[in-house]
Amino acid sequence: EAGVTQFPSHSVIEKGQTVTLRCDPISGHDNLYWYRRVMGKEIKFLLHFVKESKQDESGMPNNRFLAERTGGTYSTLKVQPAELEDSGVYFCASSSRMGISPLHFGNGTRLTVT
Amino acid sequence: DAKTTQPTSMDCAEGRAANLPCNHSTISGNEYVYWYRQIHSQGPQYIIHGLKNNETNEMASLIITEDRKSSTLILPHATLRDTAVYYCIAALGAGSYQLTFGKGTKLSVIP
Repeated sequence: EAGVTQFPSHSVIEKGQTVTLRCDPISGHDNLYWYRRVMGKEIKFLLHFVKESKQDESGMPNNRFLAERTGGTYSTLKVQPAELEDSGVYFCASSSRMGISPLHFGNGTRLTVT
Repeated sequence: DAKTTQPTSMDCAEGRAANLPCNHSTISGNEYVYWYRQIHSQGPQYIIHGLKNNETNEMASLIITEDRKSSTLILPHATLRDTAVYYCIAALGAGSYQLTFGKGTKLSVIP
């Protein structure tokens, strides 16, 4: 079984630019989650999809962040415009049954905003 | 979610059992204890979880005290590849997707 795949693994952009991160969950997993660790902080929840619907986006920091999951398969997280404080590692995770099955995480995208 | 407390760091000799403690004195009756770990440059990896009873899988054992206020993750024969940050998380079994990772315990397995 292929794991959760994230692309790119690293991204370096300038302040004010736009970046789009992609996540491919494990096949058949309806639940998809985004987490992030910004510099020196703990890993924090951003949002949760069930298929193509946003179930919970209470962790999204502001409206510069837009997550989509068209068709209920892969997901994208767009940051526009990027700010310096957005630097960190963005993790995607998926699970088959919410609350019962464990979360399977990807290796993350390291975003550096200069 | 209940707050958990873990030691900042621990060392373990290769081949020996690693016992990682976690305190969760305010855990509620319907909260599970989850353990994840993060090996350098990788995403968090699920290890094990439990509610009341002790649990064992191919990776580790989880021992939960009878009052559920603390638990211990046991890696029976630690290898160098087990060097990682280990996170103990108390979360509801239903809807427990907002995991609160905390700072975790940095386990160093020494040759």
